[in-house]
Amino acid sequence: GQQLNQSPQSMFIQEGEDVSMNCTSSSIFNTWLWYKQDPGEGPVLLIALYKAGELTSNGRLTAQFGITRKDSFLNISASIPSDVGIYFCAGQFTGTASKLTFGTGTRLQVTL
Amino acid sequence: AAGVIQSPRHLIKEKRETATLKCYPIPRHDTVYWYQQGPGQDPQFLISFYEKMQSDKGSIPDRFSAQQFSDYHSELNMSSLELGDSALYFCASSLGGWDEQFFGPGTRLTVL
Repeated sequence: GQQLNQSPQSMFIQEGEDVSMNCTSSSIFNTWLWYKQDPGEGPVLLIALYKAGELTSNGRLTAQFGITRKDSFLNISASIPSDVGIYFCAGQFTGTASKLTFGTGTRLQVTL
Repeated sequence: AAGVIQSPRHLIKEKRETATLKCYPIPRHDTVYWYQQGPGQDPQFLISFYEKMQSDKGSIPDRFSAQQFSDYHSELNMSSLELGDSALYFCASSLGGWDEQFFGPGTRLTVL
């Protein structure tokens, strides 16, 4: 089946630092999305990307849809303690009600 | 803004029992997706419905069935429960079958 590899697997950073994580796939996706999940809660949508090369920002978050359509990255600038959580990328093919294929996740921990 | 509602939030069952999980999508959303997330895992797609018709299907066991009703809410029925079914079950909804998926808070199922 499809496999999305996220790196790094986990990060331990200090408040105020910038963070970068990426996601690579063996398949081409038409849409890339980034979600954040807190323990025991549902994933929360952060950013959605629809075109190869697209660069989109949402506050301190910036994400890009790779030119090859097989990768995406997410940057968080000036991290704060509430950024703690697990970040998942997800790829989606074109089609009605098509599934999301999730990455392996990046666990982010922020220290003061 | 209204979000996806899932009930119950927690459910404890014995092996071989049955369970029914309910999902109420965001108002006006006509598409529902079900995902299963084991401990430390990424969410895995089970099944989706668009306009009350099954649309996409993942690795959903034959013991599980689901449907979407006329008011667009959905139910996931799980029979002959096994210990390995213990997981978080998420419902997501979208508009028109191709818009971004928004997740509910999940149902934590524990099978003893």
